[in-house]
Amino acid sequence: GQNIDQPTEMTATEGAIVQINCTYQTSGFNGLFWYQQHAGEAPTFLSYNVLDGLEEKGRFSSFLSRSKGYSYLLLKELQMKDSASYLCAVSLRSNDYKLSFGAGTTVTVRA
Amino acid sequence: DVKVTQSSRYLVKRTGEKVFLECVQDMDHENMFWYRQDPGLGLRLIYFSYDVKMKEKGDIPEGYSVSREKKERFSLILESASTNQTSMYLCASSGGTVGTEAFFGQGTRLTVV
Repeated sequence: GQNIDQPTEMTATEGAIVQINCTYQTSGFNGLFWYQQHAGEAPTFLSYNVLDGLEEKGRFSSFLSRSKGYSYLLLKELQMKDSASYLCAVSLRSNDYKLSFGAGTTVTVRA
Repeated sequence: DVKVTQSSRYLVKRTGEKVFLECVQDMDHENMFWYRQDPGLGLRLIYFSYDVKMKEKGDIPEGYSVSREKKERFSLILESASTNQTSMYLCASSGGTVGTEAFFGQGTRLTVV
């Protein structure tokens, strides 16, 4: 089976930076997605990495190292509205649309 | 605004009932998915469909079936509901290019009693 690990919970202060790590051991790898899910709502897309390196999108950045089976999502200048669950998902094959998800990391932002 | 709509937000069904969960997308997407989401386990793929009348099993298909008669609609069927199928069910759709994002519905919280 696929093994995608991320921390269960993280807490940070408003204005701070938080890094959510995701490690994966899967039978194939094509790319890695990050989704955000607020409580009671649908997951929404944040980022997609297929090549090694850092992709920056405003306050959010995502990093991928294919050789290490590792990714992180970096949230800068945290705001209260960033309190949510963050889901790491791996696309296994280049011709396949299925995703394997980690269990998600719940981030709580405190004032 | 793109939309994936699930027919119910909350459902309560009895053990042994046949249950239908409906999902409609308005983006003309080829791919549609059904996931269930449980605390500590994340999203697990039940079934997906890459075209009308085409379906493929996901990681946990036992006890479920699906139907896709039209491109915009993907139904999940619990043939005989059991208490261990109490969960949040999420439908998603995506376009025909690998790496494009999936759009999710709001979810149906199903309780089987």
